[in-house]
Amino acid sequence: GIQVEQSPPDLILQEGANSTLRCNFSDSVNNLQWFHQNPWGQLINLFYIPSGTKQNGRLSATTVATERYSLLYISSSQTTDSGVYFCAVGETSGSRLTFGEGTQLTVNP
Amino acid sequence: DTGVSQNPRHKITKRGQNVTFRCDPISEHNRLYWYRQTLGQGPEFLTYFQNEAQLEKSRLLSDRFSAERPKGSFSTLEIQRTEQGDSAMYLCASSSARSGGIGELFFGEGSRLTVL
Repeated sequence: GIQVEQSPPDLILQEGANSTLRCNFSDSVNNLQWFHQNPWGQLINLFYIPSGTKQNGRLSATTVATERYSLLYISSSQTTDSGVYFCAVGETSGSRLTFGEGTQLTVNP
Repeated sequence: DTGVSQNPRHKITKRGQNVTFRCDPISEHNRLYWYRQTLGQGPEFLTYFQNEAQLEKSRLLSDRFSAERPKGSFSTLEIQRTEQGDSAMYLCASSSARSGGIGELFFGEGSRLTVL
């Protein structure tokens, strides 16, 4: 099956800093989503982005499907951005999302 | 649209007991997924339904696990004779799958199982 690698595994920032999270995948995809897992365990949708670039406030994402990677940018980070960020992909011929191991982000005041 | 709802949110049980989780998807969504997540890991696929048909099951879904979606609306996931290794967060998601695609998945709050 498809392999999904996220980097870095852990990231510690000071409030106000910017960061970039990366997601590499091993095969062609027609679905890619970024999620933020809140402290209670719920996966919150950030972006549905199988290709191209999207922005939502301080967050933006870019997927270059031909090169098999996606980036999540967080600008002017806040303590409430802390948590685990997951990338999940769906293979072109597949029927489910495969998740990476996540990036644990800690934003200190 | 109230989102995906899961019950119970937390379940503590003794080894050997049976447990059942329920998922109510977003009303117009035709696909429903179950995932399992253990501490420090990403969610792992268990099974999914297109309307009432169960179309795919992971090898993670042993014979002790069974899932149903009898009328193409809510779904149940039952675990028989629970083992300590079953302790995990069980996540449900739904999507409105277009032809040839998965659609955008929306997850519920999860059901956390602890087996003593």
